[in-house]
Amino acid sequence: GAVVSQHPSRVICKSGTSVKIECRSLDFQATTMFWYRQFPKQSLMLMATSNEGSKATYEQGVEKDKFLINHASLTLSTLTVTSAHPEDSSFYICSARDPSFGNDEQYFGPGTRLTVT
Amino acid sequence: QQQVKQSPQSLIVQKGGISIINCAYENTAFDYFPWYQQFPGKGPALLIAIRPDVSEKKEGRFTISFNKSAKQFSLHIMDSQPGDSATYFCAASTTPGGADGLTFGKGTHLIIQP
Repeated sequence: GAVVSQHPSRVICKSGTSVKIECRSLDFQATTMFWYRQFPKQSLMLMATSNEGSKATYEQGVEKDKFLINHASLTLSTLTVTSAHPEDSSFYICSARDPSFGNDEQYFGPGTRLTVT
Repeated sequence: QQQVKQSPQSLIVQKGGISIINCAYENTAFDYFPWYQQFPGKGPALLIAIRPDVSEKKEGRFTISFNKSAKQFSLHIMDSQPGDSATYFCAASTTPGGADGLTFGKGTHLIIQP
């Protein structure tokens, strides 16, 4: 149980276009989802926290108008990278948690590799 | 400002040996300390986690040692196997389960030599 999926796993887009990444909790209801960004051989950096039905909370330095996050249901959160540029190329990873599990765990998705050309 | 410092950056251990990875934190409000294992091209997977009210937690070959006064915690992998070769991240959060998100260390690339 507690599986998180992401789609797509890889995406290549042209500079100036927008890309949407989906994060789904497959077998549990995720009241909270998180979006992280990871550069090659680097650590994960928290971008934003989203709670179902409310606006996302962005970390300092993350442009909320560039990285649009929607958490419209208890099983789906989306990250849209708007007007993408090559410097946005990165590995984007989501995670989700469900307090009803009674544990402290965040369950991570497999990640989405974004390449902006 | 890096809130969780992880060392070493890379580590090579012989099969059957003990792998030790260390982390230090600055924020005394941190209350939850997980360790994650990540394989190339995959998301992190939780290995083991600890709260500050205990000094050690063991799950199979993996042990976390926690020193609250020194603000340090470490991961010990006993009887290291080639399949343990991966990148390991320590992390910390001010809330159980990282309800406010996790702050990650920079990672340790572990190689277990057969």
